[in-house]
Amino acid sequence: SQTIHQWPATLVQPVGSPLSLECTVEGTSNPNLYWYRQAAGRGLQLLFYSVGIGQISSEVPQNLSASRPQDRQFILSSKKLLLSDSGFYLCAWSPGGMETQYFGPGTRLLVL
Amino acid sequence: QKEVEQDPGPLSVPEGAIVSLNCTYSNSAFQYFMWYRQYSRKGPELLMYTYSSGNKEDGRFTAQVDKSSKYISLFIRDSQPSDSATYLCAMLTGGFKTIFGAGTRLFVKA
Repeated sequence: SQTIHQWPATLVQPVGSPLSLECTVEGTSNPNLYWYRQAAGRGLQLLFYSVGIGQISSEVPQNLSASRPQDRQFILSSKKLLLSDSGFYLCAWSPGGMETQYFGPGTRLLVL
Repeated sequence: QKEVEQDPGPLSVPEGAIVSLNCTYSNSAFQYFMWYRQYSRKGPELLMYTYSSGNKEDGRFTAQVDKSSKYISLFIRDSQPSDSATYLCAMLTGGFKTIFGAGTRLFVKA
């Protein structure tokens, strides 16, 4: 069966510091991968998606970036965090050509 | 106007009640409709997936899609305290961009 991992689970970072969140998927190959941010009381905001290694599409211009160095690894990064980057970050995967997405446990980020 | 509207609640019901959760949408091109359940501080988990209009049943859960009214529903029969969570509707036309509702918080009281 497929499993998706995210780490860290919780992160507290000062404004202006860098960020690296990691997501890995097991039990499948060539998945579509997604990064979302969920703010309190709001829906999921799609940040990035990837259909293959090195292929990244950005949905929202911001100070975040994403990379996919391996087939089942997706990384969310920032060079300098802003207060507004605080939130719950979710990684998801879907089988290629399928609409349903499966989410990881999430990373709670607090920028102070 | 948001593409997907969902009442945030909270919705509080007694154990055993039938729960009705709903979303409306504005984009008539949506073809795929999902419901996710999200427990506090956890990632969403897929509950139901429906293509186009109609009903789909899975155990105590029934999903309905009415494309003519741009309205989707999730019914939970014999609700349990373990059903207490936030329920997110989601939909897409195809491709990669899924649009999520803001979620409805449900509390089922024992």
